[in-house]
Amino acid sequence: EPEVTQTPSHQVTQMGQEVILRCVPISNHLYFYWYRQILGQKVEFLVSFYNNEISEKSEIFDDQFSVERPDGSNFTLKIRSTKLEDSAMYFCASSVRPTNTGELFFGEGSRLTVL
Amino acid sequence: GENVEQHPSTLSVQEGDSAVIKCTYSDSASNYFPWYKQELGKGPQLIIDIRSNVGEKKDQRIAVTLNKTAKHFSLHITETQPEDSAVYFCAAGGADGLTFGKGTHLIIQP
Repeated sequence: EPEVTQTPSHQVTQMGQEVILRCVPISNHLYFYWYRQILGQKVEFLVSFYNNEISEKSEIFDDQFSVERPDGSNFTLKIRSTKLEDSAMYFCASSVRPTNTGELFFGEGSRLTVL
Repeated sequence: GENVEQHPSTLSVQEGDSAVIKCTYSDSASNYFPWYKQELGKGPQLIIDIRSNVGEKKDQRIAVTLNKTAKHFSLHITETQPEDSAVYFCAAGGADGLTFGKGTHLIIQP
């Protein structure tokens, strides 16, 4: 069964460092997303990406965050200068259609720990 | 924007009993209501969803009901089993994507 894959599964970084989280969405999917889940809390929307550009972003997704689809398979989330409060599980997701009409498939997540 | 409230935060039931988790939403434009199951250390997985043109949907032991007038929807799990233990999230979706509830930790007591 096709799945969304994410790397790394866990990254520890120092405050102020840049971090890149990588995702390989399901191959025939067109819509890509990043969500964040702080430990014990709900899943929060960060950004959606379609047709090589950001379609929606939340208040959390400030200038420190960026996304890129550098080739036909990878979808990356970059945090330029990490803060302690960026510590969370980051989930990539993809879908064939927009979220209100199609199933969203999540990856296993990348745990980011900022020290 | 959309606001989704989910209750209870923790639910403990005896194996074999039923479990009900309830959610309310605020944006009447939302038209897609999925439920996700998240096991420890894993990503959310879709277990069932409902769209605003139906009031109820069932898949084996799992059912979801939707009341658009009251803006609430519920997940029903019957004949609960130990493998049902997980965190369950409801979500409401529209043009702006999915907004999740805070999750319900379902504990199945043997």
